[in-house]
Amino acid sequence: QSVLTQPPSASGTPGQRVTISCSGSSSNIGSDYVHWYQQLPGTAPKLLIYRNNQRPSGVPDRFSGSKSGTSASLAISGLRSEDEADYYCAAWDDSLSGWVFGGGTKLTVL
Amino acid sequence: QVQLQQSGPGLVKPSQTLSLTCAISGDSVSSNSAAWNWLRQSPSRGLEWLGRTYYRSKWYIGYAVSVKSRITINPDTSKNQFSLQLNSVTPEDTAVYFCARGNGGMIDSWGQGTLVTVSS
Repeated sequence: QSVLTQPPSASGTPGQRVTISCSGSSSNIGSDYVHWYQQLPGTAPKLLIYRNNQRPSGVPDRFSGSKSGTSASLAISGLRSEDEADYYCAAWDDSLSGWVFGGGTKLTVL
Repeated sequence: QVQLQQSGPGLVKPSQTLSLTCAISGDSVSSNSAAWNWLRQSPSRGLEWLGRTYYRSKWYIGYAVSVKSRITINPDTSKNQFSLQLNSVTPEDTAVYFCARGNGGMIDSWGQGTLVTVSS
């Protein structure tokens, strides 16, 4: 049971916009930044969004993040087949003094 | 560009000790701004943070409550690397283990991952 809650799956057709939610609590999302990772099969997670809504260099602006209270969202617009992957949210938890993650959302591009 | 290279056995017997090393290039284990983490990923437990070490004029180490009694993370400044030891392993510890750098309040770089299977 992951500390952060994500839907297990999401899907969309090419060109569509998809959002993935992440719900936490006052000790993690409510008090610190949210970060998002993309994981392709057999590889390590890759930082996709940091500090709620910032993109590392090289990440397309089709990817965007937002946060409100104890929840956050990742939006992917102009969906492409190469976006098919697992997506994870993460935050530092002040009560646990450690990083906590969502259970991951498997995105399927139909 | 930091790179993290993991090494260690992929098979460990139950009750024995799991040992992995993460060699750092492009940064320093003694950096005053980075933290060096171990995490693992399994279908049953998802992505799980295990612990970290970092240097801020002195060494700090923190562990996840779930493994606190069994884990040791050590920096090695002579080789610019850090290590993970997990004692008394059971099949529940079977997972892909990752080392990762924490920087600027986020985990920004990951090692390649090592599948460790606990089995006799």
